[in-house]
Amino acid sequence: SQQGEEDPQALSIQEGENATMNCSYKTSINNLQWYRQNSGRGLVHLILIRSNEREKHSGRLRVTLDTSKKSSSLLITASRAADTASYFCATDGYWDDKIIFGKGTRLHILP
Amino acid sequence: EAQVTQNPRYLITVTGKKLTVTCSQNMNHEYMSWYRQDPGLGLRQIYYSMNVEVTDKGDVPEGYKVSRKEKRNFPLILESPSPNQTSLYFCASSLGRKEYNEQFFGPGTRLTVL
Repeated sequence: SQQGEEDPQALSIQEGENATMNCSYKTSINNLQWYRQNSGRGLVHLILIRSNEREKHSGRLRVTLDTSKKSSSLLITASRAADTASYFCATDGYWDDKIIFGKGTRLHILP
Repeated sequence: EAQVTQNPRYLITVTGKKLTVTCSQNMNHEYMSWYRQDPGLGLRQIYYSMNVEVTDKGDVPEGYKVSRKEKRNFPLILESPSPNQTSLYFCASSLGRKEYNEQFFGPGTRLTVL
């Protein structure tokens, strides 16, 4: 059963604006990761946040994690056309070695 | 170059004809995994392997087999494919340590079962 759920399912914003997408999960996790996928290609790892961390930055990316609400958010600042892609969260289970992906958010950056 | 390779990239087959999709990584990773991706369903884990000769079921293992005889290879076997296994398949690998489990993905295999 999937536990990661992203929202919104799709998001369109103007270039230069910030994009925020959210992920919720159901059970205890070891860490949470965000991935990007361009047009049916392989996924690319963006950032990992451990369960004992609350916020992490990488370039224009900012990830937060709230384990009490079992949720995470990914913020992309100053969006660019090249950010157009699908974004997925993935959780690494605390009690097993499964990795569970959400259904993803499709982000479209308008010129 | 560090990478995960999959073959074939595209495959059209018929119901019941056994097939194998190969996956190989050159990063000495312990953890390897297979996923299928279907529209609206995201990625779902089929099987994973923590190390040689150690494999476990993911969320959707029915109709699939895997083996891990060597650290670098993790083939996915469909012994009797059915149309509902038409999907985009990804292999991935990672170091396998809980504290850092970034996965590296292969380019994908698009399978059509007629």
